[in-house]
Amino acid sequence: QQQVKQSPQSLIVQKGGISIINCAYENTAFDYFPWYQQFPGKGPALLIAIRPDVSEKKEGRFTISFNKSAKQFSLHIMDSQPGDSATYFCAASRGSNYKLTFGKGTLLTVNP
Amino acid sequence: NAGVTQTPKFQVLKTGQSMTLQCAQDMNHNSMYWYRQDPGMGLRLIYYSASEGTTDKGEVPNGYNVSRLNKREFSLRLESAAPSQTSVYFCASSDWGESHRLEQYFGPGTRLTVT
Repeated sequence: QQQVKQSPQSLIVQKGGISIINCAYENTAFDYFPWYQQFPGKGPALLIAIRPDVSEKKEGRFTISFNKSAKQFSLHIMDSQPGDSATYFCAASRGSNYKLTFGKGTLLTVNP
Repeated sequence: NAGVTQTPKFQVLKTGQSMTLQCAQDMNHNSMYWYRQDPGMGLRLIYYSASEGTTDKGEVPNGYNVSRLNKREFSLRLESAAPSQTSVYFCASSDWGESHRLEQYFGPGTRLTVT
């Protein structure tokens, strides 16, 4: 049972465009939703995170939008740059549980 | 401050051989994890240790064992390697930082090939 479903698998965007990656979750007990960014040959790194008490979290060009009723959250990258080309993972956890459940990842390519 | 370190970076094993992947963190984190990453499968949790002295199975524990040697070190052992264990293995550590943000810090990974 895949608890966090991520789409699309891959995404190609032109420089300056908006990249949008979506995730849906099943477990209503999840209460923490981070996004991780992974460059080739490196380990993932935390990019931005949100809790369900807010509908949007913005950090620079990166925004998480959260829809609790639909059990969905998405990552928006504004003014996408070639340096944003990476694999992005959404994830979820609940309460004081230290485990993260990851989506399968989205390979983003930003063309110059 | 090196963060999370893993050894080795690359390893080739023959089917049936055993090996231990080493992981250490210098951030004084309580929790540590082992993941495997395969194309199209994302990150799958093998084992984790919520705190020193405890270990628990994750999503894909079969064929692996772990040891939380102390607060800093968490090793992953393959007793009898199989080709299905060919993967990239990541160690991570975490703690609740400011604003109750659970951040997992990942190591650089070990690329394991089993022939």
